[in-house]
Amino acid sequence: LAKTTQPISMDSYEGQEVNITCSHNNIATNDYITWYQQFPSQGPRFIIQGYKTKVTNEVASLFIPADRKSSTLSLPRVSLSDTAVYYCLVVGGTGRRALTFGSGTRLQVQP
Amino acid sequence: EAGVTQFPSHSVIEKGQTVTLRCDPISGHDNLYWYRRVMGKEIKFLLHFVKESKQDESGMPNNRFLAERTGGTYSTLKVQPAELEDSGVYFCASSRTQSDYGYTFGSGTRLTVV
Repeated sequence: LAKTTQPISMDSYEGQEVNITCSHNNIATNDYITWYQQFPSQGPRFIIQGYKTKVTNEVASLFIPADRKSSTLSLPRVSLSDTAVYYCLVVGGTGRRALTFGSGTRLQVQP
Repeated sequence: EAGVTQFPSHSVIEKGQTVTLRCDPISGHDNLYWYRRVMGKEIKFLLHFVKESKQDESGMPNNRFLAERTGGTYSTLKVQPAELEDSGVYFCASSRTQSDYGYTFGSGTRLTVV
């Protein structure tokens, strides 16, 4: 499965839009991109998944360019409660699951 | 629907002892996954059940770890005998189908081996 690379940390302020980009240069044709959020002392929480172009749900948007070698998680108007670690995972379309969550991006939202 | 439940939430045992972790997936979820984060490291996959069958156990570290899912409902992960390096947080997750990539995770079991 494709190795993912994300920034280690990001800072933002309440009300701002936050974009976290993940690179996955070796993504395979059948692979999907998923994003998870994790708070301290909790398990990861699924946010969104996508294959190509743009996906939007009530929480976030996911932008995937045509070459699919990267993806960007967009969080609109963040609040303090969005302070967490965000993980980008590539999972196989044939049922292969991500073997590691990677280091993730630690997002700190300031008032 | 109820979420994924893990028990116990914390466990402290001595080196050499046995510990059994339990995971109750969401009802109707055939797929159950175990992951763990050992101290300072990344969350890593351990194994995957489809109903009662082990689909992939390539992440199991050694034969001191035994996972079961009798009847295809809840799962147990036994560590026997426990070693200091087994300390960490063990997460369980479930999904309805194999193509459902949005896993629901439990809160984890924090295992401390002293």
